[in-house]
Amino acid sequence: GEQVEQRPPHLSVREGDSAVITCTYTDPNSYYFFWYKQEPGASLQLLMKVFSSTEINEGQGFTVLLNKKDKRLSLNLTAAHPGDSAAYFCAVSAYTGNYKYVFGAGTRLKVIA
Amino acid sequence: GGIITQTPKFLIGQEGQKLTLKCQQNFNHDTMYWYRQDSGKGLRLIYYSITENDLQKGDLSEGYDASREKKSSFSLTVTSAQKNEMAVFLCASSIGYAEQFFGPGTRLTVL
Repeated sequence: GEQVEQRPPHLSVREGDSAVITCTYTDPNSYYFFWYKQEPGASLQLLMKVFSSTEINEGQGFTVLLNKKDKRLSLNLTAAHPGDSAAYFCAVSAYTGNYKYVFGAGTRLKVIA
Repeated sequence: GGIITQTPKFLIGQEGQKLTLKCQQNFNHDTMYWYRQDSGKGLRLIYYSITENDLQKGDLSEGYDASREKKSSFSLTVTSAQKNEMAVFLCASSIGYAEQFFGPGTRLTVL
């Protein structure tokens, strides 16, 4: 079945620096990709969703890149600020009819002021 | 908009006890999920349900039962709580392959 590897598990950057989190997946049928943010003590909130037909998606202060050839999904936070300190999870789903999502293990990001 | 509620917010049990966690959603979503999250770790799928009265096992179903009584509710039962077990149980719902919406979680502590 699908396997998702997320790197790095921990990341510490200074305020204003960029932070890059990467997920690699194995199933070539993967079509739906999501990034979630989890603040300490809170639940998961959707940050961005990307479909297989999309390669670049930009949000407020971050960019998501999908490289289908390398089976790689990345989240790039530009000019990180302390409010970005949280755990980030990628999730991947293939169009197989079982509606299962495979989550990465998470990246704990700390932004130092 | 909609909301997912989980009850209770905190659950303290004794070793060997049978414990039930409840989840309600008013999104009118077909699919619902139960995940377990250990401290500082990722999400592991316990059970999910594609529609009312459907149940599908996830990777961590052993030691748990689930019930989808109606479209809006999904319950999870820890069949025999393990001593010193601590985890957060997250419920989520979705429509098809759209994003999952998560509830606030139930924090379990077993004494």
